[in-house]
Amino acid sequence: GAVVSQHPSRVICKSGTSVKIECRSLDFQATTMFWYRQFPKQSLMLMATSNEGSKATYEQGVEKDKFLINHASLTLSTLTVTSAHPEDSSFYICSARLDSNSPLHFGNGTRLTVT
Amino acid sequence: QKEVEQNSGPLSVPEGAIASLNCTYSDRGSQSFFWYRQYSGKSPELIMFIYSNGDKEDGRFTAQLNKASQYVSLLIRDSQPSDSATYLCAVNVDNYGQNFVFGPGTRLSVLP
Repeated sequence: GAVVSQHPSRVICKSGTSVKIECRSLDFQATTMFWYRQFPKQSLMLMATSNEGSKATYEQGVEKDKFLINHASLTLSTLTVTSAHPEDSSFYICSARLDSNSPLHFGNGTRLTVT
Repeated sequence: QKEVEQNSGPLSVPEGAIASLNCTYSDRGSQSFFWYRQYSGKSPELIMFIYSNGDKEDGRFTAQLNKASQYVSLLIRDSQPSDSATYLCAVNVDNYGQNFVFGPGTRLSVLP
């Protein structure tokens, strides 16, 4: 149980375009999902906490207008990277958990390359 | 500031040896503890979790928790080259689900 699906796994886009990444909890409902970013050889960095039916909570230094998060249902959260630039190229990973004391389960990640 | 610390490594062990990975955390109120493995270019995968003081064994893996010392470790017995990865320690600081803190990870290299 506790499977998290993330799509797409890899995307290449041109500078200035927007990219949407989907994160689904397949066999459980997740009121909260988490979005991370990881640059090569660096640690996971929490970007934001996605809350079903309400606004996301962004970590300090993460631009909410650039990284739009929508959590419209208990099984789906989306992250849209707007007006992407080469410096946004990174590995984006979503995660979710069954309840507050359960482990986080991660999607397979999305490797974004902005040219 | 809630912190989770790990040695960045790399930690190199010969095949068949025991690999010992360590993690300390700063918040004494932390409730639950997790170990993840991350291969290069992949997302983290859960190996073990532990909630109570003592040892918890699962196959070749043993997690050890000492809340008094604010210390959690992961032992890997009979290490294999396929165990070569970065191991992330994570701590759930409270029961509200919002405060899940990852350490920087320890890179393990198992030499054939």
